Amino acid sequence: DAGVIQSPRHEVTEMGQEVTLRCKPISGHDYLFWYRQTMMRGLELLIYFNNNVPIDDSGMPEDRFSAKMPNASFSTLKIQPSEPRDSAVYFCASSQGQVAETQYFGPGTRLLVL
Amino acid sequence: GIQVEQSPPDLILQEGANSTLRCNFSDSVNNLQWFHQNPWGQLINLFYIPSGTKQNGRLSATTVATERYSLLYISSSQTTDSGVYFCAVELWGDDKIIFGKGTRLHILP
Repeated sequence: DAGVIQSPRHEVTEMGQEVTLRCKPISGHDYLFWYRQTMMRGLELLIYFNNNVPIDDSGMPEDRFSAKMPNASFSTLKIQPSEPRDSAVYFCASSQGQVAETQYFGPGTRLLVL
Repeated sequence: GIQVEQSPPDLILQEGANSTLRCNFSDSVNNLQWFHQNPWGQLINLFYIPSGTKQNGRLSATTVATERYSLLYISSSQTTDSGVYFCAVELWGDDKIIFGKGTRLHILP
């Protein structure tokens, strides 16, 4: 298996623009997680899905953030409008069976909002 | 909310040394994981260890849930062990996953 795939790997955008991050989980995994990592706040869980259904989005910082999982092999995290403080590395991870079962992380998307 | 404290925050060791990293948590947890983030940013799961002891090569981990701590042992450290080690806990009755701030390990050749 190719592992968790994220795209793009790097994104530079201007404040106010819409940003869409993409994730393909490992085939057969029924949990998908979106994390954000910054120097100030460390690693934070934003939202996770089980069988394509959002279970806990309490970590989503604001209404500007939204996440979807239209099918078992694809998820998006959208920021609209983006702000400089959204600059971070966004990781997607997937696991099988339980929320905190062994999670496999993608390489991350490094986002810079100017 | 739950506090997840990792110690030490930074550790510099010579290649070949052994090390112990600690994760304390302030509330009952359902699960605990250890991760390694290498200097290039890649996150890798090391152990899923809600309780007991596990070993994988030079690495082992022990979680004592009743005393609210977990330890990660690295023996005969290598330069490739450098990076940041995170523990993450899942709260009982709540699916939230909370990460500690990590221990930054630097192994000198």
